[in-house]
Amino acid sequence: DQQVKQNSPSLSVQEGRISILNCDYTNSMFDYFLWYKKYPAEGPTFLISISSIKDKNEDGRFTVFLNKSAKHLSLHIVPSQPGDSAVYFCAASVGNFNKFYFGSGTKLNVKP
Amino acid sequence: DGGITQSPKYLFRKEGQNVTLSCEQNLNHDAMYWYRQDPGQGLRLIYYSQIVNDFQKGDIAEGYSVSREKKESFPLTVTSAQKNPTAFYLCASSPAGNYGYTFGSGTRLTVV
Repeated sequence: DQQVKQNSPSLSVQEGRISILNCDYTNSMFDYFLWYKKYPAEGPTFLISISSIKDKNEDGRFTVFLNKSAKHLSLHIVPSQPGDSAVYFCAASVGNFNKFYFGSGTKLNVKP
Repeated sequence: DGGITQSPKYLFRKEGQNVTLSCEQNLNHDAMYWYRQDPGQGLRLIYYSQIVNDFQKGDIAEGYSVSREKKESFPLTVTSAQKNPTAFYLCASSPAGNYGYTFGSGTRLTVV
């Protein structure tokens, strides 16, 4: 049973617009969340993180929002660029950096 | 350049044969991990190791074995006991107690 779910396998967005990628989790004990980005034939690379004591973390064009009551987090990319086209994974852990649970990924396509 | 190397990129094996996937890092990271990715599913943790000569089972360790004789190396053996070995395998490393995973580019194993 997947504890971290990304229900949208794909998302298509026009360049310059906002991309919103969603992630839901079932374990209320999760206290650390990450987003990874993966290009074809490469390993995932770390993008942005958030701990459960915050509800928002921002890094340039990327912002992650955490709604603990809804067990939901989202990644906003503004403005979207064609180079953002990749698969995005969310991941969560319970006070243990050595054990992350990953979602199935959302493939983002940013059209020029 | 520091990084994590997985080899080979593609691997074909006959059913019933054991196969070993290589993972080497020169980042001086203490912890190393093996994940498996199947279509439509998130990355699932197979094994992880926090220090040399020590490793722990992840969520799907059955049919796999690992060793950690050197800090730089964490090979994964897919044994004949693994019922569905065909998958994409990702190795990662991180400094101790840190979420900053660095992933390799993966090995796609196909068992025929």
